[in-house]
Amino acid sequence: EPEVTQTPSHQVTQMGQEVILRCVPISNHLYFYWYRQILGQKVEFLVSFYNNEISEKSEIFDDQFSVERPDGSNFTLKIRSTKLEDSAMYFCASSVTANTGELFFGEGSRLTVL
Amino acid sequence: QQPVQSPQAVILREGEDAVINCSSSKALYSVHWYRQKHGEAPVFLMILLKGGEQKGHEKISASFNEKKQQSSLYLTASQLSYSGTYFCGTGLDKLIFGTGTRLQVFP
Repeated sequence: EPEVTQTPSHQVTQMGQEVILRCVPISNHLYFYWYRQILGQKVEFLVSFYNNEISEKSEIFDDQFSVERPDGSNFTLKIRSTKLEDSAMYFCASSVTANTGELFFGEGSRLTVL
Repeated sequence: QQPVQSPQAVILREGEDAVINCSSSKALYSVHWYRQKHGEAPVFLMILLKGGEQKGHEKISASFNEKKQQSSLYLTASQLSYSGTYFCGTGLDKLIFGTGTRLQVFP
């Protein structure tokens, strides 16, 4: 069964360092998303991506964050200068259609900022 | 605007029923329901579309009241495997998840 894969599963970094989280969405999916979840809390929308550009982003997704699809298969989330409050589980998701389609989530990348 | 779910938490014995509600302050065109087990990613349960049918999955079903901007998830004869946090999700161009309802089923 096709699945969304994310790497790394866990990353520990020092405050101020750059982090890149990688995702390989399901191959025939067209819509890609990043969500984050601080431990024990709600799942928060960060950004959606379609046709090689950002279609929606939240207030959380400020200038420190960027996304790209560099090679047609990977979908990356970059945090330029990490802060302590960026510590969270980051989930990538993909879907065939926009809001009427099932979101398939990856297993997540846990980011710990020290 | 984030949908609001109630209750925040439910504790059940196996075989009992539960209802989880999701309310939005905005007009709803679709409602998604997901379940997240501890330490895992959210998993899709079902989607309800405006004007569409009520959907079901195993002994889990849901309804969608467009006028009231609400959806309810019904868990019938709960099983241990139903334990987890349930999230509704709404939105046209981006799926915004609700506040979550933690469900614990005990033997």
